[in-house]
Amino acid sequence: GAVVSQHPSRVICKSGTSVKIECRSLDFQATTMFWYRQFPKQSLMLMATSNEGSKATYEQGVEKDKFLINHASLTLSTLTVTSAHPEDSSFYICSARVHGVVLFQETQYFGPGTRLLVL
Amino acid sequence: AQKITQTQPGMFVQEKEAVTLDCTYDTSDQSYGLFWYKQPSSGEMIFLIYQGSYDEQNATEGRYSLNFQKARKSANLVISASQLGDSAMYFCASTINAGNMLTFGGGTRLMVKP
Repeated sequence: GAVVSQHPSRVICKSGTSVKIECRSLDFQATTMFWYRQFPKQSLMLMATSNEGSKATYEQGVEKDKFLINHASLTLSTLTVTSAHPEDSSFYICSARVHGVVLFQETQYFGPGTRLLVL
Repeated sequence: AQKITQTQPGMFVQEKEAVTLDCTYDTSDQSYGLFWYKQPSSGEMIFLIYQGSYDEQNATEGRYSLNFQKARKSANLVISASQLGDSAMYFCASTINAGNMLTFGGGTRLMVKP
């Protein structure tokens, strides 16, 4: 399957600082990437859909000024958690879609995730 | 809106036995995809198997097979010959044609006993 990398894998930061997480598709071009958040023992919650060259589409309840998404190229999307607070501590995971003709058939491949701890 | 239901929060299976993880979905769309992902303790989501709504045959990938019953809106994952490395969280997910966004179920934690 397609390979997606994510960096960093783990980050600890102080409250009030900003943290950038990178998501890269290594062996394919991804016009669309997705960002999810997962709390312990819960399922994945979609935060936003990131489209190359355009603004991200955020899910209801997700603050776009707090979670800045930039999809600058076909292989890179970044999520910046601005002015992080302890409640932002979570597991953030991205996915990239292998572009196909029929949307619902396209498999999303996930990165390894980033564990963020805000002190 | 779609809804994916996984009714088994946790399952035990003996090593080398088969296990079925349940998944039901609720959609009015005719075109949709059904996916299963495995999430080990490391956190990575590993794609296992895909079934399209128009596929007449059940999908199979090695030891994984998907028991697709369209009329009942169920897409159960069957793992044959369980291995200790199969211990993980398993998520059922679906897409619809309009946006390819995945909707996930709540997950099932599978524990394989030696």
